[in-house]
Amino acid sequence: SQTIHQWPATLVQPVGSPLSLECTVEGTSNPNLYWYRQAAGRGLQLLFYSVGIGQISSEVPQNLSASRPQDRQFILSSKKLLLSDSGFYLCAWSPGQGYNQPQHFGDGTRLSIL
Amino acid sequence: QQPVQSPQAVILREGEDAVINCSSSKALYSVHWYRQKHGEAPVFLMILLKGGEQKGHEKISASFNEKKQQSSLYLTASQLSYSGTYFCGTGRGNQFYFGTGTSLTVIP
Repeated sequence: SQTIHQWPATLVQPVGSPLSLECTVEGTSNPNLYWYRQAAGRGLQLLFYSVGIGQISSEVPQNLSASRPQDRQFILSSKKLLLSDSGFYLCAWSPGQGYNQPQHFGDGTRLSIL
Repeated sequence: QQPVQSPQAVILREGEDAVINCSSSKALYSVHWYRQKHGEAPVFLMILLKGGEQKGHEKISASFNEKKQQSSLYLTASQLSYSGTYFCGTGRGNQFYFGTGTSLTVIP
């Protein structure tokens, strides 16, 4: 069966520090991968999605970037974190196009910026 | 492009029914429904791909009115475990947008 791993579970970082969150999927090949952010008490905002290695689409301009160095690995990065980057970051995968396939989420990373 | 859900919040007693609505200003090609419990990741409930389609999952079902660009989630005989925030989601191609969310609380 397919599983998705996301780490770390929680992270506290100072303003201006770099960020690297990692997500890996097991048990499937060529998944669509997504990064979402959820502010406290709010909905899910799509940040990036990827349909293949090296293929990244950005939905929201910000100081974050994403990379997909391997088929089942998705990384979210930042060179300098802002206070507004705080939130719950979720990685998800789907077996095909997002609009007609269910998305399955990792457990998320709770990021606090001090 | 974010779908709008109503109501924003609802409180039910065990055994009561609820309806959550999801509306989009853009054409809907599919509608997903997810439930997120506090502090956890969203969990997929169901997906509707065709206008007029209805699906059921235990005592939770949904309908999709493609012409009206709407979907509704029906929760019958609610249980304590139904508490959480419900999100609809829709998109086109690989772009995907979650709705504004509906907080549902079931009390004994």
